Amino acid sequence: QKEVEQNSGPLSVPEGAIASLNCTYSDRVSQSFFWYRQYSGKSPELIMSIYSNGDKEDGRFTAQLNKASQYVSLLIRDSQPSDSATYLCAVNIHTGGFKTIFGAGTRLFVKA
Amino acid sequence: DTEVTQTPKHLVMGMTNKKSLKCEQHMGHRAMYWYKQKAKKPPELMFVYSYEKLSINESVPSRFSPECPNSSLLNLHLHALQPEDSALYLCASSQEAPGSEKLFFGSGTQLSVL
Repeated sequence: QKEVEQNSGPLSVPEGAIASLNCTYSDRVSQSFFWYRQYSGKSPELIMSIYSNGDKEDGRFTAQLNKASQYVSLLIRDSQPSDSATYLCAVNIHTGGFKTIFGAGTRLFVKA
Repeated sequence: DTEVTQTPKHLVMGMTNKKSLKCEQHMGHRAMYWYKQKAKKPPELMFVYSYEKLSINESVPSRFSPECPNSSLLNLHLHALQPEDSALYLCASSQEAPGSEKLFFGSGTQLSVL
């Protein structure tokens, strides 16, 4: 089993809709969870971090964490064409040092 | 300054060449990382430095040799690479504390090995 699993997509949503991205992880002791956005030809940039069970909102983005189910999700409300990118779920694993492991990424297309 | 600067942006090298990738940050971060990313794949961790000491080596071949001369600089020395090593090499930095492991990435070096 991979440490971080995501549906690679592509996920296609119309402009203005809610995009829902999901991720599961295998390491039960992980405490830190992240969503990075990567545009084609660019490096990843952090958009959300979450450490506690529940929801965390930042503008149009909401991250959700359920440690019992080992599940992290990202909701993007009022999706815009500029949100079209690959979204990488990342989990921090403590194994003698901090180690951030990425899922395969979900490609999101927002149609105008 | 919230930037991680990587040089060069592009590099083409032969299999017998020796080259180095450089990375610099001035955010006071004490953890620095090298990742390798192939097209349409996620970043894959190579090395982690914590307080200038190598803390994680993800079984990377010895033709890749990392170096951390000080807390702001990270190098990756390349020697006798193979064509399959062609990829985007990303440097990142973060705080070294639980709850602060957000990665700040440089723009990467696109490496082609001929």
